Amino acid sequence: EIVLTQSPGTLSLSPGERATLSCRASQSISSTFLAWYQQKPGQAPRLLIYGASSRAAGIPDRFSGSGSGTDFTLSVTRLEPEDSAVYYCQQYDESVLTFGQGTKVEIK
Amino acid sequence: QVQLHESGPGLVKPSETLSLTCTVSGGSINPFHWNWIRQSPGKALEWIGFVSYIGNTHYNPSLQSRVTMSADVSKNQVSLSLTSVTAADTAVYYCAKWCDDCRAFNYWGQGFLVTVSS
Repeated sequence: EIVLTQSPGTLSLSPGERATLSCRASQSISSTFLAWYQQKPGQAPRLLIYGASSRAAGIPDRFSGSGSGTDFTLSVTRLEPEDSAVYYCQQYDESVLTFGQGTKVEIK
Repeated sequence: QVQLHESGPGLVKPSETLSLTCTVSGGSINPFHWNWIRQSPGKALEWIGFVSYIGNTHYNPSLQSRVTMSADVSKNQVSLSLTSVTAADTAVYYCAKWCDDCRAFNYWGQGFLVTVSS
């Protein structure tokens, strides 16, 4: 099973700043199978990024994904109060699908 | 717009079977894969497995011995059964649609809290 480790655990930033979230896989994975989700309290996760760098429908271009192999990054520029949420990465290696443990983004 | 709605008993006794249904509206379950994912209180997401519209299944090995999923095209529903539950199975259970093109979950239900308690 591929383990995804996200860092940092919590990110506290001010509006207008940039958030950089890391997702590290325990072994190399295809970028095709790396996705990012945003989850706000009491809500289901929402797909942000798929294929490591493609934005899902309706996602603003402030959100971008990058990376390959074992290291992937989600960047959120010009942070807004509504970006306060937990962000999860997810991979699927044809055997078992796993999620990272999440990074909480707090907007000061 | 595809919508997913999970339903079932919100309280299950230890050692009994948890059964949930996901009703899909705004689109057919054909020809997609439908997943169940759960989230224990304050914890991360855990993938349980998927069922295709024709009933093909693939489960998380950690839960495989206790999980059964099925699909009913006539009712546009998919179902989850988890046997021999314990308090560790208390969670919000989500139904989610797998996007074959994007290899991710592009539609989710709102989630359904199941509590395991006597």
